[in-house]
Amino acid sequence: DTGVSQNPRHKITKRGQNVTFRCDPISEHNRLYWYRQTLGQGPEFLTYFQNEAQLEKSRLLSDRFSAERPKGSFSTLEIQRTEQGDSAMYLCASSFFSLAGGLYNEQFFGPGTRLTVL
Amino acid sequence: TQLLEQSPQFLSIQEGENLTVYCNSSSVFSSLQWYRQEPGEGPVLLVTVVTGGEVKKLKRLTFQFGDARKDSSLHITAAQPGDTGLYLCAGGLKGETSGSRLTFGEGTQLTVNP
Repeated sequence: DTGVSQNPRHKITKRGQNVTFRCDPISEHNRLYWYRQTLGQGPEFLTYFQNEAQLEKSRLLSDRFSAERPKGSFSTLEIQRTEQGDSAMYLCASSFFSLAGGLYNEQFFGPGTRLTVL
Repeated sequence: TQLLEQSPQFLSIQEGENLTVYCNSSSVFSSLQWYRQEPGEGPVLLVTVVTGGEVKKLKRLTFQFGDARKDSSLHITAAQPGDTGLYLCAGGLKGETSGSRLTFGEGTQLTVNP
């Protein structure tokens, strides 16, 4: 299977602990996105990368959140000092962006990491 | 305030019925996607529309992008239990950098009863 993969699929942690999630995009994709989804809501954008460069961060992303994509392949999302309000599904998506691609912005999502903060 | 409003939020129908889900905004979108999501999984891309007035068909699903690129609809003909899921519309806002964030609606939870 060459789709987007995310690990772990589920994470339960205690408030105040740090957690790290990993995303492996589709291999030829140069853009990688992180979203967060809470129950009954659509996904909310957090941040995205083109290759190893982080191009945009949402104002929703507090200082406790950090994301990296050091070699332009996989990415990690770390949450420090977790809070109960961080409980959500964290989704990663990837796309192949080129100027020739025009207005298409087709992002392909992984299965997500479900975080529960107790 | 949601940039993309989906309606209805919940829809429960019998197998064989037709249905339409709407996605509306006061903003113009460069492109709009429809996704289907099952519990505990990520959204799966169904279609992308970019041209005002565009209509795309995917078997029993028909997608339309409004002429002004502010709204879209998804019509399902002869719904089947396998169509059950959360349908999400998402788009790239006109004026934002191409290929950047997607703005999502809250979704329509569809249940098709056998």
